[in-house]
Amino acid sequence: GAGVSQSPSNKVTEKGKDVELRCDPISGHTALYWYRQSLGQGLEFLIYFQGNSAPDKSGLPSDRFSAERTGGSVSTLTIQRTQQEDSAVYLCASSSGTLRFNEQFFGPGTRLTVL
Amino acid sequence: GESVGLHLPTLSVQEGDNSIINCAYSNSASDYFIWYKQESGKGPQFIIDIRSNMDKRQGQRVTVLLNKTVKHLSLQIAATQPGDSAVYFCAEGGGADGLTFGKGTHLIIQP
Repeated sequence: GAGVSQSPSNKVTEKGKDVELRCDPISGHTALYWYRQSLGQGLEFLIYFQGNSAPDKSGLPSDRFSAERTGGSVSTLTIQRTQQEDSAVYLCASSSGTLRFNEQFFGPGTRLTVL
Repeated sequence: GESVGLHLPTLSVQEGDNSIINCAYSNSASDYFIWYKQESGKGPQFIIDIRSNMDKRQGQRVTVLLNKTVKHLSLQIAATQPGDSAVYFCAEGGGADGLTFGKGTHLIIQP
């Protein structure tokens, strides 16, 4: 596709359930990022994938959060046993090249609401 | 002004006026700065970037100014239009640490 896509666009779940959020980066982009944006807040870095290297998971807030990237393309962010404080917009971005501050192209985000 | 760490919630300007959005950064080692625009319900969109070896860069209706002495970044939007209404984020980066984003400034265009 022409840009980064994410699905679903909205997800409402009950506390304690697991959710999976999907990101399709721009074709050919080797770097993929996940961020979280709480209401009225900036972007909180979660995890970074670069090619086949081990991901930088330093931003994941707890062990309930995990992400994988299969075949160097599509990525899935999984949140287990969701809590109300997990409610936020989850943004995915991709970029070309190997420098972490290359221009990042963002998807529209997935709005997660945990009841 | 906004900082990567501080938050200036709203800036209201008249349509047709120039807007200036400010950002203070804390990491003197940062060598790359980006401004993003985020419209309601959408992901951030790249506007303009600047490297630390420059102090000014111009795009279409936008100018970014970098003052490394006081670690200050600003985004100037000329002749603001209703479509400029959005939240604007500055981000700093460099090395292996990726980008650090500010909390954003909400720009409101008054008719």
